[in-house]
Amino acid sequence: AQSVTQLDSQVPVFEEAPVELRCNYSSSVSVYLFWYVQYPNQGLQLLLKYLSGSTLVKGINGFEAEFNKSQTSFHLRKPSVHISDTAEYFCAVSQFGSNYKLTFGKGTLLTVNP
Amino acid sequence: DAGVIQSPRHEVTEMGQEVTLRCKPISGHNSLFWYRQTMMRGLELLIYFNNNVPIDDSGMPEDRFSAKMPNASFSTLKIQPSEPRDSAVYFCASSLEAGNTIYFGEGSWLTVV
Repeated sequence: AQSVTQLDSQVPVFEEAPVELRCNYSSSVSVYLFWYVQYPNQGLQLLLKYLSGSTLVKGINGFEAEFNKSQTSFHLRKPSVHISDTAEYFCAVSQFGSNYKLTFGKGTLLTVNP
Repeated sequence: DAGVIQSPRHEVTEMGQEVTLRCKPISGHNSLFWYRQTMMRGLELLIYFNNNVPIDDSGMPEDRFSAKMPNASFSTLKIQPSEPRDSAVYFCASSLEAGNTIYFGEGSWLTVV
């Protein structure tokens, strides 16, 4: 079985500050990793994904994430946030062999203040 | 290109009533998913279809829940009878192939009173 832990339920930051949203996973086999964003009253949108290759993954809206196998982490970062980045962010994992089944973390609410 | 389309967007119903949620996946996608989102449990996979066939329904809570996919462009999730604890946002999602990027609809917000 796989699991995902998002260590912070809420992260408040000021506009133009850097941000890191933390994600740790647990799995007995190799995994694929994803970050999704959910704006208020909307569905989830893929930000970025790690399938293989370079451990630094760049996504949309200036976000990036780094896969660290030894620490089983996949933290999401942005060097300078905007008000429009206010949303809920979900880390998700799927396993090789049953790669349709995404397991989501509980989410981190990022609030960007002026 | 149209995304995943869900209806209704919002539904309020009384306990004991039947609820039917509908989904039209992205054209050409052969994998379809139903997820449920609640504050307590987060996002949970209810059922996964591949080429209209249910592959994994282990997340379906109980017999009150049923899902069908009669063709490649339509799926339903039915709750009968509904209970207040079924109140949640239900998302339909689709992907080109299992393991590819999953695209979510905007959700159906269900309130059972």
